[in-house]
Amino acid sequence: GAGVSQSPSNKVTEKGKDVELRCDPISGHTALYWYRQSLGQGLEFLIYFQGNSAPDKSGLPSDRFSAERTGGSVSTLTIQRTQQEDSAVYLCASSSQTGGNTIYFGEGSWLTVV
Amino acid sequence: QKEVEQDPGPLSVPEGAIVSLNCTYSNSAFQYFMWYRQYSRKGPELLMYTYSSGNKEDGRFTAQVDKSSKYISLFIRDSQPSDSATYLCAMSVSGSARQLTFGSGTQLTVLP
Repeated sequence: GAGVSQSPSNKVTEKGKDVELRCDPISGHTALYWYRQSLGQGLEFLIYFQGNSAPDKSGLPSDRFSAERTGGSVSTLTIQRTQQEDSAVYLCASSSQTGGNTIYFGEGSWLTVV
Repeated sequence: QKEVEQDPGPLSVPEGAIVSLNCTYSNSAFQYFMWYRQYSRKGPELLMYTYSSGNKEDGRFTAQVDKSSKYISLFIRDSQPSDSATYLCAMSVSGSARQLTFGSGTQLTVLP
């Protein structure tokens, strides 16, 4: 696609439920990143994919968080048993190569856990 | 102490003013410095990118890096209401996008 596409754009969920957030990167981009942005905080790195593999999962905050990428394209970030502190904007980004700094962000999925 | 510190603002200026946005950092190994602009409910977009120390100019925007002071700045000349956004600094050691460290952002409003 023309840009990074994320869905849903907004999600309100009850504490304890699981949520799935989807990212469709720019066509042809091999690298894909997930970040979390909380109010008043900078972007927090969660996970990075090169193709379908995730060489760096160091930012995932707990084992409730997981992500996968299939076909070298679409990625899904899953949060199990959501907690209120999971409320944030989840941003996906992609780049054409891991060696470059130019990454392109989607508009984010705004998650609210009530 | 955070690796990258950025005054969150909010900063409000009249149209036409010169705006100065700043970040300080603690990791002397940072070599690549970026500024992102983020409009409300949008993703960040890359505005300026510099390597090592020095200045870089692009239209009304100038990025400055002072590695000796561990201090970077973004100047906006002749500010416009369309510049109203949150500005995030970011930096990395290796130039790899997966190692970017972001500041928390400064919220700027340019009043018409």
